[in-house]
Amino acid sequence: SYELTQPLSVSVALGQTAGLTCGGSSIGTKDVHWYQQKPGQAPVLVMYGDSKRPSGIPDRFSGSNSGNTATLTISRVQVGDEADYYCHVWAGGIEVVFGGGTKLTVL
Amino acid sequence: QVQLVQSGVEVKKPGASVRVSCKASGYSFFDYSICWVRQAPGQGLEWLGCISVSSGNRHYSQKCRDRVTMTTDTSATTAYMELSGLRSDDTALYFCSRGVGATGRGWFDSWGQGTPVIVSS
Repeated sequence: SYELTQPLSVSVALGQTAGLTCGGSSIGTKDVHWYQQKPGQAPVLVMYGDSKRPSGIPDRFSGSNSGNTATLTISRVQVGDEADYYCHVWAGGIEVVFGGGTKLTVL
Repeated sequence: QVQLVQSGVEVKKPGASVRVSCKASGYSFFDYSICWVRQAPGQGLEWLGCISVSSGNRHYSQKCRDRVTMTTDTSATTAYMELSGLRSDDTALYFCSRGVGATGRGWFDSWGQGTPVIVSS
């Protein structure tokens, strides 16, 4: 079965740039989607199709995907960006996979 | 606006079944699929399956396919997820979401608030 690997945690200083990675075999050939989940809340879609932002998501959020790594980049990080972030792909057939999630901490 | 409102907390004994509902509003119910995702306490997201509202086609995860049933009531714009043979490791927060694109192949752009399911003897 297909696996997605995310670092457990990432820390970034306020106002700096955070790069959250999602690793998977030839993930560059798949569409990657990203969700933000704050404590006690449902996930929120922040990026779909590798690099498309849903309406209402600030342009500080961007995405890329190539080779074996997809990346969600958050520029000018704010305290309100602190959350868990999950990547998600359709791996083929009927296999839908989430990464294990990355906890973003803003210092 | 798009809203998915789920039923309330469920407490069940091992071996029992649970049915969670998801009432959709604010969009054309037929044009999207409904996907279910669960999250065990302190853990990540786990996909359970998706159902196409228009065709009724279902895609279930390998892990749960023998115990899960997803249905829709189009007259009530409501989706249901039933899980049978409950075990303690089914204790989780269960989310419904709106699936975009071919069933199970796209992204989930709106989510319900989650339904806690607690399995305990």
